[in-house]
Amino acid sequence: GEDVEQSLFLSVREGDSSVINCTYTDSSSTYLYWYKQEPGAGLQLLTYIFSNMDMKQDQRLTVLLNKKDKHLSLRIADTQTGDSAIYFCAENQGGYQKVTFGTGTKLQVIP
Amino acid sequence: DVKVTQSSRYLVKRTGEKVFLECVQDMDHENMFWYRQDPGLGLRLIYFSYDVKMKEKGDIPEGYSVSREKKERFSLILESASTNQTSMYLCASSPTGQSQETQYFGPGTRLLVL
Repeated sequence: GEDVEQSLFLSVREGDSSVINCTYTDSSSTYLYWYKQEPGAGLQLLTYIFSNMDMKQDQRLTVLLNKKDKHLSLRIADTQTGDSAIYFCAENQGGYQKVTFGTGTKLQVIP
Repeated sequence: DVKVTQSSRYLVKRTGEKVFLECVQDMDHENMFWYRQDPGLGLRLIYFSYDVKMKEKGDIPEGYSVSREKKERFSLILESASTNQTSMYLCASSPTGQSQETQYFGPGTRLLVL
């Protein structure tokens, strides 16, 4: 299958912005997603972006998509301690909602 | 709200045992998935099912089988558990239709094989 790559770890101070990056490889992906996994829990969808969009904003979250470079990023403004979690990007490769997940980025927020 | 439940949060089994992991969803979703999650590897798809009695291999099906006798229930079976199957197992479901529909995840089962 196609690989979706993320850096494994990110540490930021409370109140700063966090930027989590993702590189995907399937240019035919229709939707790209960001999921959040809190400790001991399953994954929860944070936001998604359709492949014909460049940017999507939802409160403190901004998603940027660069289709040419197959690069997706998630920016969290005013990062809080409650944002500490693992963040997964994922791409939909069509058919039965089959989704390929990245390796996950663990975000640590320092008070 | 969609609810996906998994039969156990933590499970300890011995090498060679047969292990059943159960997943139930209450939203009449057609599609169900089993993943395993390992540090640094993210989520890897083991099997998925798009209808009752239908199943498709994912990226890492070796050592696993599945059963979907009813729409709401998707079982993952480890015929003979091995230590390299120690992992977090996540079940998910999604409806068929618009691609932006997300997958809804259960809380996970952390399996330790001794």
